[in-house]
Amino acid sequence: EIEMVQSGAEVKWPGESLRISCKGSGYSFPTYWINWVRQVPGKGLEWMGKIDPSDSHTIYSPSFQGHVTISADKSMSTVYLHWSSLQASDTAIYYCARQYGSGIHTPMPDWGQGTLVSVSS
Amino acid sequence: DIVLTQSPGTLSLSPGERATLSCRASQSVSNNYLAWFRQKPGQPPRLLIYDASIRAYGIPDRFSGSGSGTDFTLTISRLEAEDFAVYYCQQYGSTGAFGGGTKVEIK
Repeated sequence: EIEMVQSGAEVKWPGESLRISCKGSGYSFPTYWINWVRQVPGKGLEWMGKIDPSDSHTIYSPSFQGHVTISADKSMSTVYLHWSSLQASDTAIYYCARQYGSGIHTPMPDWGQGTLVSVSS
Repeated sequence: DIVLTQSPGTLSLSPGERATLSCRASQSVSNNYLAWFRQKPGQPPRLLIYDASIRAYGIPDRFSGSGSGTDFTLTISRLEAEDFAVYYCQQYGSTGAFGGGTKVEIK
């Protein structure tokens, strides 16, 4: 069974750094792109970017480029989403989602449970 | 970047009725790489349709997708209780932008 398991909820101060994780299991981890998606509570889905775990090639949405960093550790079957300096506007649920099929342009059937990040002073 | 516009914003229907949801792209979606998701409160989205018209694994046949280029449609032939939720379209031909969503609510 394919599973994407994300790290737990975080509460942070503005300006702090943070890294959340998403561990894939039940499939060949390096083979499939993994995406990150943001959802502000009560709002819609926003695609942030994705990574090819085989070589860590990343593609970012222009809206998130420069504000977050996506990385991967093949040995741990885990991808990460990192902020160097959080803002209150980063408060949201963050989902990871695995693409289906090899190749860059494929759909995302397998989602993590979501990680709630709360940033407040 | 491609912008997806979903309409209507809210659809009020009764169980058993037919739902028709629209997704319009600001430019042609490459190879019709267009997906539809359903999201229930407190849950991650679930993939329903990909490549504009192919049902994902385990999705019942009351869901169907159609369209090409810039205009796409998700049709739910007979609404069941679990279908009252929010629906999103997403293009994955370039980056991965989502539409703003359509809420299907009980009338």
